[in-house]
Amino acid sequence: AQTVTQSQPEMSVQEAETVTLSCTYDTSESDYYLFWYKQPPSRQMILVIRQEAYKQQNATENRFSVNFQKAAKSFSLKISDSQLGDAAMYFCASGHQGAQKLVFGQGTRLTINP
Amino acid sequence: EAGVTQFPSHSVIEKGQTVTLRCDPISGHDNLYWYRRVMGKEIKFLLHFVKESKQDESGMPNNRFLAERTGGTYSTLKVQPAELEDSGVYFCASSQAGGSASTDTQYFGPGTRLTVL
Repeated sequence: AQTVTQSQPEMSVQEAETVTLSCTYDTSESDYYLFWYKQPPSRQMILVIRQEAYKQQNATENRFSVNFQKAAKSFSLKISDSQLGDAAMYFCASGHQGAQKLVFGQGTRLTINP
Repeated sequence: EAGVTQFPSHSVIEKGQTVTLRCDPISGHDNLYWYRRVMGKEIKFLLHFVKESKQDESGMPNNRFLAERTGGTYSTLKVQPAELEDSGVYFCASSQAGGSASTDTQYFGPGTRLTVL
């Protein structure tokens, strides 16, 4: 069975600073995928970034990047130049080939201080 | 292109009543998923449709929950009778037909917040 753990229930950062959200996972699958989703207050959840486990290169989407450490089963999200609009609940999730369901972590609430 | 929509956005019912949640996936998406987040806990998978067929319903908590997807378009999730522990946010997501060779990105709806009193 897959498990995903986010050990930081809440994080805060000053606007324009960099913040890293932690995520660890456990899986017995060899071919799996990792995701970070963002849910702003009262808005729907959107995909921030996706990483295929077979890819060694860390995924990057503009100000968002991941540090994927496969051996350590770690998948942290780095947000650079934080903006007020980045304030949201962030969920780490995993899925594996052949099984479409996602397994989520508990979420990290990120606050951006102006 | 319209995203995943869910109705209602909020529902408050009394214990023992019935509630039906609706999800309209992105047009053309064969895969439809239901998830639930109980307050303060992680989002948990309930079930997965491929078109009108239930592909995986391993996350359904008990037989008080019934999901349908007639015609392979929208889906409903009925809770009958509702219990206090059913309170939470119910999310629907959809993805394109990726088959077993890939894990397609799932696009989520805004969720339905269900409160059972």
